Order: sequence, then C-alpha cells, then structure tokens
Amino acid sequence: GAGVSQSPRYKVAKRGQDVALRCDPISGHVSLFWYQQALGQGPEFLTYFQNEAQLDKSGLPSDRFFAERPEGSVSTLKIQRTQQEDSAVYLCASSRDYEQYFGPGTRLTVT
Amino acid sequence: ELKVEQNPLFLSMQEGKNYTIYCNYSTTSDRLYWYRQDPGKSLESLFVLLSNGAVKQEGRLMASLDTKARLSTLHITAAVHDLSATYFCAVGFYGGSQGNLIFGKGTKLSVKP
Repeated sequence: GAGVSQSPRYKVAKRGQDVALRCDPISGHVSLFWYQQALGQGPEFLTYFQNEAQLDKSGLPSDRFFAERPEGSVSTLKIQRTQQEDSAVYLCASSRDYEQYFGPGTRLTVT
Repeated sequence: ELKVEQNPLFLSMQEGKNYTIYCNYSTTSDRLYWYRQDPGKSLESLFVLLSNGAVKQEGRLMASLDTKARLSTLHITAAVHDLSATYFCAVGFYGGSQGNLIFGKGTKLSVKP
C-alpha cells in the first residue's frame, strides 16, 4: 500500500524566504510527527499531532516554525524567514499504534 | 532529559565478521526501536522491542533489550556488504501526549570485502 509521502523532495530557498513542506500520512493513521535531521545526525523531534490536535510542539526551534494539520490528515510544516541553520532534511512520520513509518523527507537547503 | 547514546559511532567491518552495536538510554522507556538509513534515503524500520528480555532476529541482524540496564544491542552476524548503512536506535514513550522518538546519533557501518 501507499506509504508516507512528502513534497517537495528538494527545496532550495534564499535566506529570508518562507517555505512550506507537505506531508501525506498513511491513510487512517491518527498520529503524525515531524523531525529535523541535520547532516550526519539522528532525527530530532519537532512536533506531534493526534488527528488535528497539535499535542506537542516542544521541539520547534523557534517561532519561525509553524505546523498544522487542519483536517487530521495532510500536514504542512512552514518555516518563515529561513536561515542557513534551517538547512536539513525534514522527515514526517505517521503511526496508528507504536510503529512509526517515515516518509522520504524533504531536503531543505538555505543559501 | 532523556539521552540516547550509541556506540560505536563508526564501525568498519570485514565481511564474515561479527559485531555488536550498543544503545544506552537514560530514562525508563516504553519501547526501543532500531532503524536503518541508507545515504540520501529515509528510515527503514528494523525492529521494535516492547519488553524486557525481548529478542528479535531478521536475517543477519538480531536485536535485544534489557530494560533494567537501559541497554539494547544490535548484533551483526557474518556481515555482508549489503549491510553497509547507518543504524539508529530510538526510544519512545506513549504515555500522555508524548509520542515522539528520541534518536541516538547513529552508527555508520561499513562492511568491506
């Protein structure tokens, strides 16, 4: 069946631009997670949704980061006024129980 | 603060040899995960360990969990080149509103002929 999909797969932004990253979870998965993976590091938690409710946003690094999941399915991670330190791979994962299924990620490069 | 430490961070092995990757974590957890990541790719789930003493095996990989020692191991038997990748352990909690995983830094495994 279809897995978690993310778009775009690659994004180059000039410093100061806003970007929006999309995640399509597996159908029926209640929980959705966003992670940030810097080069050579493990993924780091950003935020967590259960259906449309954002239950934990403690990992968002600054108020320039905003995530939403208005209908409890597709989620968007928005980064405003991008900075070079935002360059990373952004991974989305969805789950129905304890198993998390990861998407292919969006590689964001801020120049 | 929960910390997850893996060692070694880099591992170069010869084909046919055995080795173990260690994952220590600092706080009681509900479950322990092992993932594989190939360069430029996403995370592939290998094992989910849910209880003390759990052992799971798939091919040349075997994972175990000791919750009292807060330690998980990933044992590689008779390594082959196809196992070259980065392996991550991650610890999860499913109480309350927490659902996220805390990852280690990863072990980059290179298997040489």
